[in-house]
Amino acid sequence: GNSVTQMEGPVTLSEEAFLTINCTYTATGYPSLFWYVQYPGEGLQLLLKATKADDKGSNKGFEATYRKETTSFHLEKGSVQVSDSAVYFCALSSTGTASKLTFGTGTRLQVTL
Amino acid sequence: EAQVTQNPRYLITVTGKKLTVTCSQNMNHEYMSWYRQDPGLGLRQIYYSMNVEVTDKGDVPEGYKVSRKEKRNFPLILESPSPNQTSLYFCASSTGGRETQYFGPGTRLLVL
Repeated sequence: GNSVTQMEGPVTLSEEAFLTINCTYTATGYPSLFWYVQYPGEGLQLLLKATKADDKGSNKGFEATYRKETTSFHLEKGSVQVSDSAVYFCALSSTGTASKLTFGTGTRLQVTL
Repeated sequence: EAQVTQNPRYLITVTGKKLTVTCSQNMNHEYMSWYRQDPGLGLRQIYYSMNVEVTDKGDVPEGYKVSRKEKRNFPLILESPSPNQTSLYFCASSTGGRETQYFGPGTRLLVL
């Protein structure tokens, strides 16, 4: 079956540091890949997505590239801010599964001054 | 404003007392889902609906029921809640299975 593995947290960084959160997946077919972000006390919201191999999703300074050869979708940001502190979820939606996202366990990011 | 709403946001109840968590979306989405979020487990799908009167089980359906009588509403029913259903619940809607899902703000449930 489908699965998503993301790095354990929490990740603690100083403001302006470089961020990488690793995400790898197992899926049949050609999944769409997503990063969702959950700010404290809120629901999840889409951060970025990619629907085919070599696509790069980007938003708010975050980027992730769909790498089919390594089955990865790592999240990166060049310079994090305190306001980026949140839980980040990698997810996939694979061919033929209606309305089903498979999520990773989430990675908590804390950014300090 | 396009949104998914859930009620209540917080609920404390006792074992065996039936409860319903409502979910409503104003985006005319066909697809709706319920997830539960537990520490270390991420989000797991409980049930989903592809359209009115069409529902199916997700990964963890035991102890839950859903209905989809109207396109905008997708309530989650716990007929006889148990402490292992203490969790944070999210409703989501989307235009299709591979499309972006829009989440509600969550319902935190405690079953004593």
